[in-house]
Formats: sequence, structure tokens, C-alpha cells
Amino acid sequence: DAKTTQPNSMESNEEEPVHLPCNHSTISGTDYIHWYRQLPSQGPEYVIHGLTSNVNNRMASLAIAEDRKSSTLILHRATLRDAAVYYCILRESISSGSARQLTFGSGTQLTVLP
Amino acid sequence: KAGVTQTPRYLIKTRGQQVTLSCSPISGHRSVSWYQQTPGQGLQFLFEYFSETQRNKGNFPGRFSGRQFSNSRSEMNVSTLELGDSALYLCASSPTSGASYEQYFGPGTRLTVT
Repeated sequence: DAKTTQPNSMESNEEEPVHLPCNHSTISGTDYIHWYRQLPSQGPEYVIHGLTSNVNNRMASLAIAEDRKSSTLILHRATLRDAAVYYCILRESISSGSARQLTFGSGTQLTVLP
Repeated sequence: KAGVTQTPRYLIKTRGQQVTLSCSPISGHRSVSWYQQTPGQGLQFLFEYFSETQRNKGNFPGRFSGRQFSNSRSEMNVSTLELGDSALYLCASSPTSGASYEQYFGPGTRLTVT
């Protein structure tokens, strides 16, 4: 499975934008880039996903490099509630129409400072 | 819509016993996946069910099994419990099986084996 590389930790000030990077140099053409986050004592929470084009939703934006070897999750205005571990995951389609399951690495621990 | 629900939320068992955990997916979702989360190994995929059929399976021993019912509800069973099975067991549902779909996680069942 293609792997992702993320910084172990990042800090941000409240109400400022946060750019969380992810490298996935071995990504294949059918891999979707998914982002999840996990708050303490909770299950992971879906954030956003995309294939080639940049994506926006109410939670965040996903910027995908033109060669797809890296991506950036953008939180436009960090709040204290955004403090969590953020996981960048590649999800590959397989022949049965299913997908390889989410393989979580160690993620990036985001600390938001008041 | 109600989210993914898991029962029970907490469970204490002794070595050698067996346990059954339950997951009710989001209404209309047909894919259910199970994950194990431990401090040492992180989040690891157990299996995925779609339309009552196991689609994917992770690298866990045969003591770990699951099933899905016609209403998409799923159960997982662990037989002959070992101390190392102590973990947070997470269930995630998705509208269907495939790499382009996001997964929604439940709060998990915390299993402690003594």
C-alpha cells in the first residue's frame, strides 16, 4: 500500500489558518486522498477527501499538488476544538469494486493555542 | 440522521472468554468496517462487510470474526480472549464500498481483558 508522511506535531494560534502537509510520493492513479481527525477519547472523524482536484467543504479545504505526490489540509480558522490528531490516508480502489481499507499512520498532532 | 452506534461502550472480560460487539450503521449505509485501536499499534483494520458479505479482511487471527445482517447491522466476535485484545474497537459505516466514499466512525467499544 502507498504510504503517507506527515509531521508528528504542529502548533497554531486560535483563529489563524492552519496548513497540514502530507507527502505521498508513491501514490497511484486510483488512490483517493482522505483526511480524518481524532479528538481525545473519540472515534476518528471524516474531514475531507479528493482524487485530483482541490476540494472544499464546511470543515476544511484540501489542496492537491498537480503531480499528486503531496497534499495539504487547510483549516481556515483554527479553533480550540480543532485540536486533534490529523491523519492523511490513501485509499485504493481494488478490482472487486471495494477499496483497501483505511490504514492509519501516526498522524499529526495539532495543538491550537488560545 | 443518527450516527453510528456501538454497544456496549465498555466491557470487562477475563482471559479465555468470548465477546460479541454490536454496531448499527447510519441509516442507508450498507458497508460496515471494524478497526482495533491500541496505543502501541494505532488503528488497525479488522474487516469490512457489505451486503452481508465480507469484502476485506485485515491481518488478525481467526479468533476475530464478524457478520452483517440484512438490515446492515454488524457484530464482531472475539473468542478465547487474550490480554492483548484489550483495545478500543471501532465500527465505521459508509454508504457503499469503494475508495471514493468516506467512513463515519462510531464512539467505539472499550474492551478490557483481565
